[in-house]
Amino acid sequence: QVQLVQSGTEVKKPGASVKVSCKTSGYSFTTYTIHWVRQAPGQGLEWMGWINPGNGDTKYLQNFQGRVTITTDTSASTAYMELSGLRFEDTALYYCARKPFGSACDHWGQGTLVTVSS
Amino acid sequence: DIQMTQSPSSLSASVGDRVTITCRASQGISIHLAWYQHKPGKVPQLLIYGASTLQSGVPSRFSGSGSGTDFTLAISSLQPEDVATYYCQNYHSAPDTFGPGTKVDIK
Repeated sequence: QVQLVQSGTEVKKPGASVKVSCKTSGYSFTTYTIHWVRQAPGQGLEWMGWINPGNGDTKYLQNFQGRVTITTDTSASTAYMELSGLRFEDTALYYCARKPFGSACDHWGQGTLVTVSS
Repeated sequence: DIQMTQSPSSLSASVGDRVTITCRASQGISIHLAWYQHKPGKVPQLLIYGASTLQSGVPSRFSGSGSGTDFTLAISSLQPEDVATYYCQNYHSAPDTFGPGTKVDIK
C-alpha cells in the first residue's frame, strides 16, 4: 500500500535550519509529484511547494523568499524539505503529500512537528 | 497568485441536515479544484478532485460542483463523523493555494 513516512519532531532555535524527510513506498516514486504543506497552531493549511521527482523541477511559494528547498533522493524514494532562517512563526506541523498529475494530494505523510524556540 | 476564499468560515448544523460550503477563486481555474476534510489530530483527507470527482472510499453523501471561479461542496445528510474543517485547494497553477477553511460542527 502507498505510504509516506516522515521524520520525527524537531526543536530548533531561531535562525537555524531544519530538514524534514518523507520516505515513500508502495508506488513508483518518479511518477507523482511531492508537495509540502504546513499548518501553524490554530491556522489553516499553507501550501509550501512541490517537486517532480522525475525531473527535479520545483516550485515554491514566493512568501518563503528562498528559505525553502525541496529535494529528492530517487534511489531511496525519499523527499526532503529544508527550511532555513527559522522564525518563531515557522512553528508548525509539516506534511508531505503525493499528488498524481491532473489530480490532487491523495496520500499524506503523518506530519512532522517543528518547534522554533529560544 | 490565485487567491481562494471560502464561506462561511464556520457553521453548525443538525445531524441529517444538508450542508453546503462555497469556494471562490480570484481567477478562473477550470475544474482544477480539490476539497479536503481535516479532523484535529488527523491527516488531511482528499474528498473531491476535479471539482466534482469523488475520491475512492469517500461516502457518497459528499459531492462537489462548479467550474471557473465558483465551487460548492455539499454534504447531503450531515453525520457526527463529518465534524471537521473543510478546505478547498486550487491546483490549476502554482502556488496551489488553499482556502482559509470552513469549520463544521454539530448543533
